[in-house]
Amino acid sequence: NAGVTQTPKFQVLKTGQSMTLQCAQDMNHEYMSWYRQDPGMGLRLIHYSVGAGITDQGEVPNGYNVSRSTTEDFPLRLLSAAPSQTSVYFCASKDSGSNMQYFGPGTRLTVL
Amino acid sequence: AQSVSQHNHHVILSEAASLELGCNYSYGGTVNLFWYVQYPGQHLQLLLKYFSGDPLVKGIKGFEAEFIKSKFSFNLRKPSVQWSDTAEYFCAVMFNNAGNMLTFGGGTRLMVKP
Repeated sequence: NAGVTQTPKFQVLKTGQSMTLQCAQDMNHEYMSWYRQDPGMGLRLIHYSVGAGITDQGEVPNGYNVSRSTTEDFPLRLLSAAPSQTSVYFCASKDSGSNMQYFGPGTRLTVL
Repeated sequence: AQSVSQHNHHVILSEAASLELGCNYSYGGTVNLFWYVQYPGQHLQLLLKYFSGDPLVKGIKGFEAEFIKSKFSFNLRKPSVQWSDTAEYFCAVMFNNAGNMLTFGGGTRLMVKP
């Protein structure tokens, strides 16, 4: 049981490049979410999903896309990276019947 | 919109000093409350949580927090800090009308001097 996994751990992009941050969980959790962490701002919700095929926007969705084709995976896509997207990204999951969220180890992204 | 506030951005203490970190939220409905810790270079770890019942909750590593509903507060405390408590601490609230997602405070960086 690996919990919530994220890849890559580190990534450097140039402005305008695209990439996908991967997130997977093996706990059969229905809820999954993406947060970004910036100094002094805590973690802010980007997008979330309450089940396969269902996604919704969080507090800071602009510049990011998500999809949820399976229960296990919830990738986060940056279509055209900007320096403002330099951040640490955390994926989380939780069971629909629980209030406990489980966080992944994070991806540190730098956009030059 | 609901929000979570942590008033202390940076705290510096000497070992054995007592700690209290403030957390307030803006919402009059049902909430679930959490404190997370992030040690340097590591990911988030859950310190403690409150869902219902006794408003004084005890977590790992000697931390505790008290939910005061009338003050919309969930302050974190530890009677005697150690150098190993140096970390960033985040208060988070799950508002029952927000899709079961967490709203985080801005975090408090704690430095404990040996």
